[in-house]
Amino acid sequence: DAKTTQPNSMESNEEEPVHLPCNHSTISGTDYIHWYRQLPSQGPEYVIHGLTSNVNNRMASLAIAEDRKSSTLILHRATLRDAAVYYCILAPFGGSQGNLIFGKGTKLSVKP
Amino acid sequence: DAGVTQSPTHLIKTRGQHVTLRCSPISGHKSVSWYQQVLGQGPQFIFQYYEKEERGRGNFPDRFSARQFPNYSSELNVNALLLGDSALYLCASSLARTGVLLGADEQFFGPGTRLTVL
Repeated sequence: DAKTTQPNSMESNEEEPVHLPCNHSTISGTDYIHWYRQLPSQGPEYVIHGLTSNVNNRMASLAIAEDRKSSTLILHRATLRDAAVYYCILAPFGGSQGNLIFGKGTKLSVKP
Repeated sequence: DAGVTQSPTHLIKTRGQHVTLRCSPISGHKSVSWYQQVLGQGPQFIFQYYEKEERGRGNFPDRFSARQFPNYSSELNVNALLLGDSALYLCASSLARTGVLLGADEQFFGPGTRLTVL
């Protein structure tokens, strides 16, 4: 099972910030929190990942709750190109577990 | 730099046939994973190969098999195709750098192979 819970869909207006929530109440101490997105007719694309501290990169920011049971992906200014399905994934590290367990994700629509 | 490439892009087969899908990882990436994505669902993990050895396997029947070659490219084989095997098959590669445990490594996905079984 996916071990994360996300809303099925969200809407945003272009050039406004978007906050995509994810709940992962059963997260373990060795789980990284990854976010990927999948644009229509493309393979998934890495967005960001973190372990405990908030993270920023050129695409987005990741805010992780202090107890790590939830996280929020922040797109600072949504563009039409950000319309995609966003997946929040827990990726345990160690040994043979190099795979990603995807849920259904959140379908983000961006209105002009 | 070239990303992950997959071939063919589209494929139509009939039930009972066999199919081979191919994946070339990003240069320098030693880990390759395969995923199946049925319409409307998230990708589902099938296999991971690292340094030519199987490192993980998802909940798929033995009709699914894979291998990784010395140049780190990979093949996914599916025998005795069923209608339910119709899906987008995705390949992902990662550096799996020494000292960075596999689970935390960023995966780079290819565009996928769209398989239709009639």
